[in-house]
Amino acid sequence: AQRVTQPEKLLSVFKGAPVELKCNYSYSGSPELFWYVQYSRQRLQLLLRHISRESIKGFTADLNKGETSFHLKKPFAQEEDSAMYYCALGTGGGNKLTFGTGTQLKVEL
Amino acid sequence: DVKVTQSSRYLVKRTGEKVFLECVQDMDHENMFWYRQDPGLGLRLIYFSYDVKMKEKGDIPEGYSVSREKKERFSLILESASTNQTSMYLCASGSGRAPGDTQYFGPGTRLTVL
Repeated sequence: AQRVTQPEKLLSVFKGAPVELKCNYSYSGSPELFWYVQYSRQRLQLLLRHISRESIKGFTADLNKGETSFHLKKPFAQEEDSAMYYCALGTGGGNKLTFGTGTQLKVEL
Repeated sequence: DVKVTQSSRYLVKRTGEKVFLECVQDMDHENMFWYRQDPGLGLRLIYFSYDVKMKEKGDIPEGYSVSREKKERFSLILESASTNQTSMYLCASGSGRAPGDTQYFGPGTRLTVL
C-alpha cells in the first residue's frame, strides 16, 4: 500500500534562513509527487509537481527514487511562506492522491 | 479558472441527524473526491468518483455514503452523524487525463456534530 511520511508537524525558521520540508513515500509503482500548500483561511492549492520540474515562489523539490524522497526546499524563507504544506503521492490514473500528515511552516521575523 | 464550491462553510448538526454536504465543480472534470482534514492526520480520502453514478471507497468510508447523479455535483452523506465526524470536509475535482494532473479543492465545510 502507498504511504507518505512527513516527519515534522511544525517547522519554525527565521526569515532569510533556508527551508527544507521533508517528505518520504512508499510505493512500488511509478510515483507522481506533489506539494500542496494551504495559507491561513485559504483553500488548499497545488504548489508544485515533480513532473514539471519547476520552481514556484522560490520553492523546488527533486524526486529521489533511490531514497524515495521528495523534499521541498527554499534557500531564503519569507514571512509569506508561513502555511501548512502537504506532500501527496499520485498512484496510477485518475489522479487519486495519498496525502501526508502535513508540516506547519512558521517563518519568524 | 477552476472553481469548486461547497454548499456551506460552517455547519452544526446534532448526533443522529442525516447530513448532506454538497460540492459543485464547473470544469467538466470526470473525477471528484471527498476528504476529511484533521490536525495531525492530514487529508484522508473518504470516497471518490470517476464518473456519473460511479463511486469508490477511499481509506475511511465507514459512516459515509456519496451520490453523483450529475457530472458536476458530488454529495457526501452522513446517514447518522456522530461526534467523531466533527471535522473539516474538503471536496476536490480533477481531470486525471494525464500524469501530473492536479486536484482542485473547494474552500471546505467545517462540520460540528453536537
